[in-house]
Amino acid sequence: QKEVEQDPGPLSVPEGAIVSLNCTYSNSAFQYFMWYRQYSRKGPELLMYTYSSGNKEDGRFTAQVDKSSKYISLFIRDSQPSDSATYLCAIRGSSWKGGSEKLVFGKGMKLTVNP
Amino acid sequence: DGGITQSPKYLFRKEGQNVTLSCEQNLNHDAMYWYRQDPGQGLRLIYYSQIVNDFQKGDIAEGYSVSREKKESFPLTVTSAQKNPTAFYLCASSIDRYRGAGELFFGEGSRLTVL
Repeated sequence: QKEVEQDPGPLSVPEGAIVSLNCTYSNSAFQYFMWYRQYSRKGPELLMYTYSSGNKEDGRFTAQVDKSSKYISLFIRDSQPSDSATYLCAIRGSSWKGGSEKLVFGKGMKLTVNP
Repeated sequence: DGGITQSPKYLFRKEGQNVTLSCEQNLNHDAMYWYRQDPGQGLRLIYYSQIVNDFQKGDIAEGYSVSREKKESFPLTVTSAQKNPTAFYLCASSIDRYRGAGELFFGEGSRLTVL
């Protein structure tokens, strides 16, 4: 079983829709959960990060972690054409021995929001 | 503005040639990383460095080499030994291994095409 699984899509939605992006993971030791957004031909940029369980909200974006199910989600409300990008989840454990090189990425989900 | 600068943005290489991709950061980050991104494969770690004059192999280091002579700079050489070098290469940095979640900041990427 892979450490992080993410449906690669693609996903196409109309403007204004609520978008749900998800990842599952296998290692219960993971503690830090991140979402990166990557526009075409650009580098990824950190969108949100959550430590341990719970929800975190930032404007139209909500990150949710369910550690009991080993499932993380990113919700986008009132989606806009400017949200069209690839979204990557990234997860790491709490051990500092390895440092950030142990960040494990999902394969990324390509989202298109149609006007 | 602080950030990570990668150059060149696009590079074409003939088979059998070595090429060097530049990565410079002015974020005063200790740790730097090189990733390779291929369609449908997500991000794969090539090399990382957590301190000057020290670096470690990632998951796919074969055919690549790096150096870290200055804190700000982490160039990647794609050697002729790399069997399938055509890809999008991303450089990243993080503050250090002891603070925060180890979240990564990425450059804009370099696209290498082997002719």
